[in-house]
Amino acid sequence: DAGVIQSPRHEVTEMGQEVTLRCKPISGHDYLFWYRQTMMRGLELLIYFNNNVPIDDSGMPEDRFSAKMPNASFSTLKIQPSEPRDSAVYFCASSLYGVDQPQHFGDGTRLSIL
Amino acid sequence: SQQGEEDPQALSIQEGENATMNCSYKTSINNLQWYRQNSGRGLVHLILIRSNEREKHSGRLRVTLDTSKKSSSLLITASRAADTASYFCASSGNTGKLIFGQGTTLQVKP
Repeated sequence: DAGVIQSPRHEVTEMGQEVTLRCKPISGHDYLFWYRQTMMRGLELLIYFNNNVPIDDSGMPEDRFSAKMPNASFSTLKIQPSEPRDSAVYFCASSLYGVDQPQHFGDGTRLSIL
Repeated sequence: SQQGEEDPQALSIQEGENATMNCSYKTSINNLQWYRQNSGRGLVHLILIRSNEREKHSGRLRVTLDTSKKSSSLLITASRAADTASYFCASSGNTGKLIFGQGTTLQVKP
């Protein structure tokens, strides 16, 4: 079991650039979550999918953020255009049994927007 | 508003001592979970306690849940240097989604 795989691990880019974060969930897990972690706000749920369908995107901060899950083994979180306040660690997690069941996290993408 | 609040924010103990962390939440829950996060890594699920359970054990971990007080505690017995990490509670709020607390940073000194 390879676990949840995220790429890249680190991303540094300039304000205004497009940023794409990638996630491969654990095979067979029907739920996929995107979180953002900052010192000020802690761990926030941005969006989650069930069977590749976005179920709740109420945590997406604004229209600059978008997420897709084209198939069961791949998801992306895109920020366009990026701003310095988007700097954070972004985590992807997957769950086998449900939205309120144990989640398996990737090691995150540390994003810095200059 | 955040579902879970944790106390203390930071805890420093000697190896072999016990560590206790507390979590409070605001609305009724289906379950409450505890996670560990090592520096630079993702969260790792430790234990889940259901709303109709009062206590649960897993190895050196003991979790209690008091739904009347809307609180939970995590006890790590006989701590080791490898237990140094941040610990988060996550409660399943009325929306079903997990809401994470701000975490307790535990340092275990060898």
